[in-house]
Parts: sequence; structure tokens; C-alpha cells
Amino acid sequence: EVQLVQSGAEVKKPGESLKISCKGSGYSFTNYWIGWVRQMPGKGLEWMGVVYPGDSDIKYSPSFQGQVTISADRSISTAHLQWSSLKASDTAMYYCARHATGRVDYWGQGTLVTVSS
Amino acid sequence: QSALTQPASVSGSPGQSITISCTGTSSDVGGYNYVSWYQQHPGKAPKLMIYGVSNRPSGISNRFSGSKSGNTASLTISGFQAEDEADYYCSSYTSRSIYVFGTGTKVTVL
Repeated sequence: EVQLVQSGAEVKKPGESLKISCKGSGYSFTNYWIGWVRQMPGKGLEWMGVVYPGDSDIKYSPSFQGQVTISADRSISTAHLQWSSLKASDTAMYYCARHATGRVDYWGQGTLVTVSS
Repeated sequence: QSALTQPASVSGSPGQSITISCTGTSSDVGGYNYVSWYQQHPGKAPKLMIYGVSNRPSGISNRFSGSKSGNTASLTISGFQAEDEADYYCSSYTSRSIYVFGTGTKVTVL
């Protein structure tokens, strides 16, 4: 059974750094793109970017390029999303998402990130 | 990359058919047969309902169907049921080798 299990909720202050994770199981982690989707409170889904663990190729949405870093550690079948300096506007639910051809076929349970002074 | 355009809300009575549109450009919806649709209930992760414009994943009711004409894709729910009340999002692969979501549609029961 394919599963994506994300790290727990985080409460941070503006300017702090953060790295959240998503562990894949039940499939060959290196053979699928895995990415991140943001959902701000009461808002829609926003595609942020993906990484291919097989060769670490990464693609970002222009809206998120330079704002976050996406990576994957294939030795532990885990993808990461990180910020070097959080802003209040980063407050959102973040979903990890396995990509098959042309779609997201599996989703993580979501990680709520709250940034507040 | 601009979000695909969806109506903000659509309503339907039980048993009716409802259709949600998703309008993009020739660089996304119109250029690729990689349109997918997702259902999201409050507080839950999204769920894949349609992929490749018109294909249903295993376990998805055949009441859900998808189509595309030019730069506009559509999701139709036939025999609308109360459990179908949710937010729906379309998505498309794009010419920049990335994906984009639609603005989302809130579907409610009349």
C-alpha cells in the first residue's frame, strides 16, 4: 500500500528556519516525482514544485522559486520542504504529493505550518 | 504560471447532473491531455477523481466523468448526491514542465 506520511504541525516565529518532511513507503521511491502543494487558510491549492529522487532533478513553480527549497533523501525515502526565513504569509497547510504521469495519485495527510510572533 | 479558471461555486439538486468548467490556455489545458480533477472535503487531503482528461482511478464512481474541448476541460457529476458536496480542483501539466491548479469550485446541494 502506497503511503506518504508527513511530519507534524509546526509553530514558528517570523525569521526562523524550518524543514518539514514526507516519508514514502509501499512503492519504489526513486521512480516517481514527489512534490509539495500549499493551501493557505480558506484558500485553494497551489502547486509549489517537485523533485525526482532518482536523480535529484527539481522543478519549481515560478511563484515559489527562491522562496523554498525542495529536496529528497532517497536513502530514507523522504522528501523535504524547507524555508530559511519564514514569514507570516507562509502560514498554511502543506501537502506532499506523489506524481504519476500527468497527475497526483497519492497525497500525504498534510503538515500545518503556523508562523506568528 | 496563472491558475486555471474555475467557477467559484456550483449548486445542484440530488439526482441532477452538474458540470464544472476549467479554462486554461494552449500552454496547459489545450496543449496536453494531462488534465486531472481532485475532490477535497473540509479538513481532508485532496483525492484524485479524474486523470488524463477522462480516466477514472480504481474505486471512483462512474458518476464522475471528464472531457476537454480546446482550452477548457470539464468535470460532470451525474446523479448528484449529498456526499459529493465538496471543493473541486482541476490541474494541468504545462509547457514549462510544471503543473498548475485551478482556482477551485465549491459544490453545494440545493
